[in-house]
Amino acid sequence: AQTVTQSQPEMSVQEAETVTLSCTYDTSESDYYLFWYKQPPSRQMILVIRQEAYKQQNATENRFSVNFQKAAKSFSLKISDSQLGDAAMYFCAYRNPMDSNYQLIWGAGTKLIIKP
Amino acid sequence: GAGVSQSPSNKVTEKGKDVELRCDPISGHTALYWYRQSLGQGLEFLIYFQGNSAPDKSGLPSDRFSAERTGGSVSTLTIQRTQQEDSAVYLCASSLVTTVPSNEQFFGPGTRLTVL
Repeated sequence: AQTVTQSQPEMSVQEAETVTLSCTYDTSESDYYLFWYKQPPSRQMILVIRQEAYKQQNATENRFSVNFQKAAKSFSLKISDSQLGDAAMYFCAYRNPMDSNYQLIWGAGTKLIIKP
Repeated sequence: GAGVSQSPSNKVTEKGKDVELRCDPISGHTALYWYRQSLGQGLEFLIYFQGNSAPDKSGLPSDRFSAERTGGSVSTLTIQRTQQEDSAVYLCASSLVTTVPSNEQFFGPGTRLTVL
């Protein structure tokens, strides 16, 4: 079975600095998709970034980038120039395109605290 | 509407009562998902609807849980004879086309259910 593990329940970072959130996953598939979602106190999940496993290049979205290590099954999120609005729960998720329902498999989340 | 909406935002009920949670997906989105998020946990898949096909109910935790989707749009998740362990945030998501696995799921703000 596919699983997603986020080993950091909570992380804190000084405003304007860089922080990296860890995610590892377990799968026997060679093609899959990985996502980072942000959940602010409003509870609404917002997609931050996605990565397709067959792409070598790490995805980047403005201040957010990933370090995708396929062999190590690692998918970390780097947030540069942290801002107060980045404070939220961050969830790593996996999708197997062979699943008939395309459901997302989720990690337990990391709470990110931004110190002003 | 502009996004996925859910109602009510919060629901407090007594053990043994039935509850109905509503989800309005983004117009034109054919796929709809229900997830459950328990305190400090990631999301747990409950059920998936795709167009007019039979729903994938593989994630429903017991036969007290059921869901329907009328006219391929609005969905209702019903929990009968609620138990305290049903207390959680129930999130709904929709996506445009499920045959593209990288497609983003758009989430509603969830319903926080508290069973006393």
